[in-house]
Amino acid sequence: QQQVKQSPQSLIVQKGGISIINCAYENTAFDYFPWYQQFPGKGPALLIAIRPDVSEKKEGRFTISFNKSAKQFSLHIMDSQPGDSATYFCAASIGSSNTGKLIFGQGTTLQVKP
Amino acid sequence: EAGVTQSPTHLIKTRGQQATLRCSPISGHTSVYWYQQALGLGLQFLLWYDEGEERNRGNFPPRFSGRQFPNYSSELNVNALELEDSALYLCASSLAPSTDTQYFGPGTRLTVL
Repeated sequence: QQQVKQSPQSLIVQKGGISIINCAYENTAFDYFPWYQQFPGKGPALLIAIRPDVSEKKEGRFTISFNKSAKQFSLHIMDSQPGDSATYFCAASIGSSNTGKLIFGQGTTLQVKP
Repeated sequence: EAGVTQSPTHLIKTRGQQATLRCSPISGHTSVYWYQQALGLGLQFLLWYDEGEERNRGNFPPRFSGRQFPNYSSELNVNALELEDSALYLCASSLAPSTDTQYFGPGTRLTVL
């Protein structure tokens, strides 16, 4: 019940295309859902985050869609660029002030072909 | 503003030895988190320190321990190293525990031979 399931494991998209990564969770107590981007040899960098009271959040080319009833959330990268090639992680937490713990999906390796 | 820093970048140890990893949080951040990123296992929560106290720990054996110093920097110690401890160890920090946003450092790559 503490798991976050992420798919696909890997994704290849042409430059200019839309990259879509999906995550699903079971625990309805989760109340914070961030996405992180990680380049090889680097630590994860926060991209965008959402809370359950919002169905969509957009920051530049990155959009999170959240479906509370289906317990799913997804990351859409519009106009994907070769520089977006990285590993993406979704995560969830239950009020970090109490646990401090982010629960991560297994990651999606995105390759954007020029 | 400087980000989270970690040292050393790489660490090579042999089985049975002890490893010490260090982390400096973003200035003004009081909470420090440690995660293990092992190949194929994703990021696993290890420990959370705030105001010098251990607040929570993940499902790891007691040979994984740490501390937080008065300047909020933190140290992760791994005793009696095992081959499966080989991983990237990531430190993150956040403002007081009232925020969920965690900012990660570049990590320390620990290799156990």
